[in-house]
Amino acid sequence: QVQLQQWGAGLLKPSETLSLTCAVYGDFTEYYCWVRQPPGEGLEWIGEISHTGRTIYNPSLKSRVTISVDPSKKQFSLNLNSVTAADTAVYYCARGSDYRWIFGGQGTPVSVSS
Amino acid sequence: QSALTQPASVSGSPGQSITISCTGTSSDVGGHNYVSWYQQHPGKAPQLFIYDVNNRPSGLSNRFSGSKSGNTASLTISGLQAEDEADYYCSSYTSNRIYVFGTGTKVTVL
Repeated sequence: QVQLQQWGAGLLKPSETLSLTCAVYGDFTEYYCWVRQPPGEGLEWIGEISHTGRTIYNPSLKSRVTISVDPSKKQFSLNLNSVTAADTAVYYCARGSDYRWIFGGQGTPVSVSS
Repeated sequence: QSALTQPASVSGSPGQSITISCTGTSSDVGGHNYVSWYQQHPGKAPQLFIYDVNNRPSGLSNRFSGSKSGNTASLTISGLQAEDEADYYCSSYTSNRIYVFGTGTKVTVL
């Protein structure tokens, strides 16, 4: 049973960089992604990374997003630069398998405010 | 890539059946059988309920079923129970190799 645990800074100022990390407990052999949910709104897929480092990003965020992986630590990370209030959301990490996502993290609330 | 379209809310009485629709395009729902459905309770992470249009993860209730016709996928909840009250999101793999979620549906048990 694969479990995920995520962490990162929850309060940012505009123009700063959001950084979150998700640790994988169990096999580290598949795909992993980040999803966010603004307050009172729906889910948005941010992007994915394979355990070998191949990435695919949502075009709407591609210019500001970097997802990286550290196989030695079984961790993957999300960096989103130049944040604005529109990036305020709960951010989730998830594990992918055969075109479906399994959310194991508890979600990290991130607020952007001056 | 636009979000998939779902009704904002659906309601039903205990024991009834309800269906939630999820409408996309031929580039997502209509072009792949990789449609998933997630249940989300307030303050909780989404939980996978249906994958590949009509498959249930092990251990989940068979009261939940999925289907697809053309560019529209559907989730049916049979024998509605109070614990089914939650938000439901569809998701689809797309021709751009990214994933798109639906707008979300709030299910209310009357």
